[in-house]
Amino acid sequence: GAVVSQHPSRVICKSGTSVKIECRSLDFQATTMFWYRQFPKQSLMLMATSNEGSKATYEQGVEKDKFLINHASLTLSTLTVTSAHPEDSSFYICSASTGLESSYEQYFGPGTRLTVT
Amino acid sequence: TQLLEQSPQFLSIQEGENLTVYCNSSSVFSSLQWYRQEPGEGPVLLVTVVTGGEVKKLKRLTFQFGDARKDSSLHITAAQPGDTGLYLCAGARNFNKFYFGSGTKLNVKP
Repeated sequence: GAVVSQHPSRVICKSGTSVKIECRSLDFQATTMFWYRQFPKQSLMLMATSNEGSKATYEQGVEKDKFLINHASLTLSTLTVTSAHPEDSSFYICSASTGLESSYEQYFGPGTRLTVT
Repeated sequence: TQLLEQSPQFLSIQEGENLTVYCNSSSVFSSLQWYRQEPGEGPVLLVTVVTGGEVKKLKRLTFQFGDARKDSSLHITAAQPGDTGLYLCAGARNFNKFYFGSGTKLNVKP
C-alpha cells in the first residue's frame, strides 16, 4: 500500500515553455501533498505544501507564479513550471500524506527529471 | 541554512564495518523519519521515530531519537554493498510539514 506515482518520469522542454508534472496517490487519499526539488548530490528542498481544495503554501524564496500547484482531488496534485528556464532543470519529487493527526509519515513518488534546453 | 544538519556528508567504508550517521537540529520535532534514496528515484522510508529517547531496530539498522527530540542517529552494523545510497533524515514540525536534512552519501565497498 501507500503508492505514489509521478508522470512523466523524464521531460525535456525548450526554454520559455511550460511543463506540467502529475503526482497521484494510487491506493490512499492524500489530504496533503508536498513538492520538493532536489539538485544533484544534494538533499530535498521543500517547495510547497498543498492541501486538497485549497491554495498551496509556498516556502520562502519559491515563486508561486512560476511554480503553479493545483490539488484538485484527494488523489492528484499537479506542479506546473511556467516559462521554464535552464536553471529550472532539476529533479522534482512529490510526496503524499493522509494528513491524519495519527500519521507522521509521507510517501514519495519516484520523481520527475526536468531538463530545460 | 538547513534546519537539520547531517554528518558526515560522505562516508566510504569497507563491507563489514560499522557506521553511525547523525542528524542534528536546534529545533524540536514531533517526529523524525529516516529515508534511503537511490540515484534517480524517490526516497524510501526506513523508519519513523516519535518519542524522545526511542530506539528502533530494523535488521542491521538501529535508529535513535534524542531525549529532547532535536536529534537522531542511524547506526548500521556490518555494512553491506546493498546499503550504499543517500541517507536522509526528515523532521516533522507538525503533521503537515517535513524538513529534510543535508544528507549522507554512503558507499560500501565490497
